[in-house]
Amino acid sequence: GENVEQHPSTLSVQEGDSAVIKCTYSDSASNYFPWYKQELGKGPQLIIDIRSNVGEKKDQRIAVTLNKTAKHFSLHITETQPEDSAVYFCAASRNRDDKIIFGKGTRLHILP
Amino acid sequence: ETGVTQSPTHLIKTRGQQVTLRCSSQSGHNTVSWYQQALGQGPQFIFQYYREEENGRGNFPPRFSGLQFPNYSSELNVNALELDDSALYLCASSRRGGNHNEQFFGPGTRLTVL
Repeated sequence: GENVEQHPSTLSVQEGDSAVIKCTYSDSASNYFPWYKQELGKGPQLIIDIRSNVGEKKDQRIAVTLNKTAKHFSLHITETQPEDSAVYFCAASRNRDDKIIFGKGTRLHILP
Repeated sequence: ETGVTQSPTHLIKTRGQQVTLRCSSQSGHNTVSWYQQALGQGPQFIFQYYREEENGRGNFPPRFSGLQFPNYSSELNVNALELDDSALYLCASSRRGGNHNEQFFGPGTRLTVL
């Protein structure tokens, strides 16, 4: 069935360092790969997304890469700041408005 | 904030009871999807409503049902509540058929079943 695996489940990095979260997916028909940030008491917030016809996308300190052949995609956060502390979810979907299959999440701690 | 609102924010029920959760979609959106997020897990797709009809369903039993109204707001109903139904229930709205059709999530309703 459709599945998204996400690693690590917890990640602690020093403020200013980089954080990398990796995901794999199983549904070959997936074409859309969003990343969400969820803070305590809030719903998931879309921070960046990538479509299957693109290998890499960057938005300021955040970048995503996609290897469709290997069914891997990753989130890179550079120059981490305290406000980056949250739970991050990778996800896969066939289209932007179709059902989204989420990973189990990565709790990111930014250490002072 | 996304413009998607949900009510109530918190709810406590007992086993066997029924519950109705509500979602107001963002202005201009015509599609609502519902997700269940258990503690420490990622959200799981329950179903989606488009033009007042169910448009896809995840692996949830029939006691999970929904409605979409002409103003595109939506309800999630759960009958015969079980302890495992305790979770954060999220709705997400989007505009099917447009270029910018990403889903925006509301803050969720925290349901506790005792």
